[in-house]
Amino acid sequence: DGGITQSPKYLFRKEGQNVTLSCEQNLNHDAMYWYRQDPGQGLRLIYYSQIVNDFQKGDIAEGYSVSREKKESFPLTVTSAQKNPTAFYLCASSAGNPYNSPLHFGNGTRLTVT
Amino acid sequence: DAKTTQPNSMESNEEEPVHLPCNHSTISGTDYIHWYRQLPSQGPEYVIHGLTSNVNNRMASLAIAEDRKSSTLILHRATLRDAAVYYCILRDVFGSGNTGKLIFGQGTTLQVKP
Repeated sequence: DGGITQSPKYLFRKEGQNVTLSCEQNLNHDAMYWYRQDPGQGLRLIYYSQIVNDFQKGDIAEGYSVSREKKESFPLTVTSAQKNPTAFYLCASSAGNPYNSPLHFGNGTRLTVT
Repeated sequence: DAKTTQPNSMESNEEEPVHLPCNHSTISGTDYIHWYRQLPSQGPEYVIHGLTSNVNNRMASLAIAEDRKSSTLILHRATLRDAAVYYCILRDVFGSGNTGKLIFGQGTTLQVKP
């Protein structure tokens, strides 16, 4: 079955360390996205990529970085510059016309920084 | 992006129909109405979307008011697995839609009682 795989499901890090969250999709989608969700809140867009080797900042990109070297992969690095990194991180992808195409989400990585 | 308003929570009995309302009085002519749902500790799941006409799929039906200022997601027979947070979202064809910038509000938490 095609889908989006995020790993690991839970991640613990010490403050001051960079950490990279993995996102892989086998849906052959061009566009990929990273969202952050805090308890009781909606999703906020961190970064998105509409094509390989291209990506744009979302609403809350500060303290994060991404790369898109392959169509299937869109890893997110949470740097030590991110002031409140503890959150639930969600990766998504979409195909074709993004206005009308649904987003497919992974099951998320819950990052805890202490 | 146009804003949506949903009730914070709703309850339903198992095997009964559920009507989840969404108000979007500032909707523009090019906004698609999307519905996603999110189960605890999982990524959001696409449910249905539409522009003007009512839509049906295997998961649900979407009823759109004639003036498009409101819509209703209909689950025909609620099951315990339908207990989730349901998000009603507008996606602008010509605006931020091509960024995947879905703006998730608080959504409606649906409880299904056996």
